[in-house]
Order: sequence, then C-alpha cells, then structure tokens
Amino acid sequence: SQTIHQWPATLVQPVGSPLSLECTVEGTSNPNLYWYRQAAGRGLQLLFYSVGIGQISSEVPQNLSASRPQDRQFILSSKKLLLSDSGFYLCAWNRDFRGAFFGQGTRLTVV
Amino acid sequence: AQKITQTQPGMFVQEKEAVTLDCTYDTSDPSYGLFWYKQPSSGEMIFLIYQGSYDQQNATEGRYSLNFQKARKSANLVISASQLGDSAMYFCAMREFNNAGNMLTFGGGTRLMVKP
Repeated sequence: SQTIHQWPATLVQPVGSPLSLECTVEGTSNPNLYWYRQAAGRGLQLLFYSVGIGQISSEVPQNLSASRPQDRQFILSSKKLLLSDSGFYLCAWNRDFRGAFFGQGTRLTVV
Repeated sequence: AQKITQTQPGMFVQEKEAVTLDCTYDTSDPSYGLFWYKQPSSGEMIFLIYQGSYDQQNATEGRYSLNFQKARKSANLVISASQLGDSAMYFCAMREFNNAGNMLTFGGGTRLMVKP
C-alpha cells in the first residue's frame, strides 16, 4: 500500500532563516506531488505541484520554492522566512483522477 | 471567482442526529470530481467520499453520503447518526479533468461540532 511521509511535524524558525520541508511517498511510482498551505482556520491553498522529476509548477507568487530531486521526493524550501510564511503545510500525492492523499502536515511558526 | 464555496463556517449537531454540510462549486469543465475531506484537530486530511460528474447515483460511504445536484452545482455532504468523533473541520474540494496537474481546489471549510 502507498504511504506518504512528511517531516518535521512542527517547526519554529526565526524570521530570515532558511526552510526545508521534506515529503516522500512509498509504494507508488511517478505520482503527482503537491504542497498546500493552510492558514489558521482557513482552507487549503495550493502552492506547488509536480508531475515528474524536476518539473515544478507554482500556483502563487511567494517567498517559497519547491524541488523534486527524485521520483517520490518533494521538498519545500525558502532562503529567508517571513512572518507571513507561518502556517500548516501539507504534502499530498495522487496518480490518477482520484483525489489526493495527504501527509500528516508540518506546523510552521515563524517568530 | 470562488470555485468551491462552503457557506457554513460552523455547525452544531446533536449526537445521533443527521447533519448536512453545504458545498457549491463553479466550473465550465464537463468532467470533474468532487471530494469531501475531514480534518480533525490533529491536522491530517482524511478522505471521506468522491462523486464524479458523470456518476448517475449519489455516492455513499458508510454514514457519509453526497447529495449531488448537478444542475444546481451543489455537492452537500450528509452525515447520518452523528458521533462525537465527527467533530472536525470538513472541506469540499473539486478536481477539473482538464487541469494538467490533477490538483484539487478546496473550499474554506465548515467546522462541525457534535454535542453530547
């Protein structure tokens, strides 16, 4: 069966520091991968998606970037965090027309 | 324009009663899928139910059913016999088949609180 791992679960980072969140999927090949952000009490906003290695599409302009160095690995990064980057970040995958399956999420607080 | 609208920010329901969570959507794509997810306080997103735009019957999964009214562009979630563990945020989402990345667009969510 397929599983998705996302870490860390929580993170507190100072403004201006770098960020790296990692997501990996097991039990499938060539998945579509996604990074979503959720502000407190709000819905999910799609940040990036990837349909293959090295292929990244950005949905909104922002302080963040994403990379897909391997088929089942998706990384969310920032060179310098802003206070507004705080939120709950969710990685997800799918492979076909069905809905996405989500990781456990990372709660990021920028202080 | 909002693609997915959930007009109820919060709902209360008595334990063991049924509750309907509203969702309306907007798309010009004839082929699409509609989804409901549950998000408990832990934050994980749990898939509940799926309805395809060409499905003739309303989807059901245990205590969950989707009241799909295509002409009205609505896809309401019905939870029967509410349980205390149903207290959570609920999100409606849509996938349009003509989008390259198969991504989901989410509504703003409804917080459901089940009273004992």
